Amino acid sequence: EILLTQSPDSQSVTPGEKVTITCRASQSIGSNLHWYQQKPGQSPKLLIKYASQSMSGVPSRFSGSGSGTDFTLTINSLDTEDAAVYFCHQSRGFPFTFGPGTKVDIK
Amino acid sequence: QMQLQESGPGLVKSSETLSLTCTVSGGSISNKNYYWGWIRQSPEKSLEWIANIYYTGSTYYSPSLESRITISVDTSSNRFSLTLTSVTAADTAVYYCARVARDYMDVWGKGTTVTVSS
Repeated sequence: EILLTQSPDSQSVTPGEKVTITCRASQSIGSNLHWYQQKPGQSPKLLIKYASQSMSGVPSRFSGSGSGTDFTLTINSLDTEDAAVYFCHQSRGFPFTFGPGTKVDIK
Repeated sequence: QMQLQESGPGLVKSSETLSLTCTVSGGSISNKNYYWGWIRQSPEKSLEWIANIYYTGSTYYSPSLESRITISVDTSSNRFSLTLTSVTAADTAVYYCARVARDYMDVWGKGTTVTVSS
């Protein structure tokens, strides 16, 4: 099973600041890494597929990068509506696995 | 617009069997481009993939749950289902169904909360 770790666990950020979330895989997964946003009381929403491909309708301030074992989700100029938990997910092999999540709060 | 809706009992007794159904609307479950999956989220908030199924009935199961789960699809009613046997408190979670575009879940249901009671 491929394990995913995320850092930081949580982050409190002022609107307008840049947020960087890291996801690390226990073995190389190529670009088979996807990012989801989950707001309180909602189901997860797919933001980024295959490490860097933004989904339609996702604000351009969200971007993803990385390959192999190290990946990054960046939120440029945080908006108050971005308060959420962000999860990474790998599909390189079964079972699919998720990272533990990073909670982003607004200061 | 595609929508998925989970349904099932909110409360299940320990050692009994949990059965959930996901109804797909706004598109066909027989679409060759997609699988259909179940994911759960524990009270501790971590996400756990359970299983995927293709409209042909081909399945992929989580090894940690494989001995207790069955996933099935009914193309005539545009639904797919999950059965989890011998439930314990550890199976208490929000259960989501989702459309799986081969590698990622691009459409999610709202989720259904399942509590296992003793």
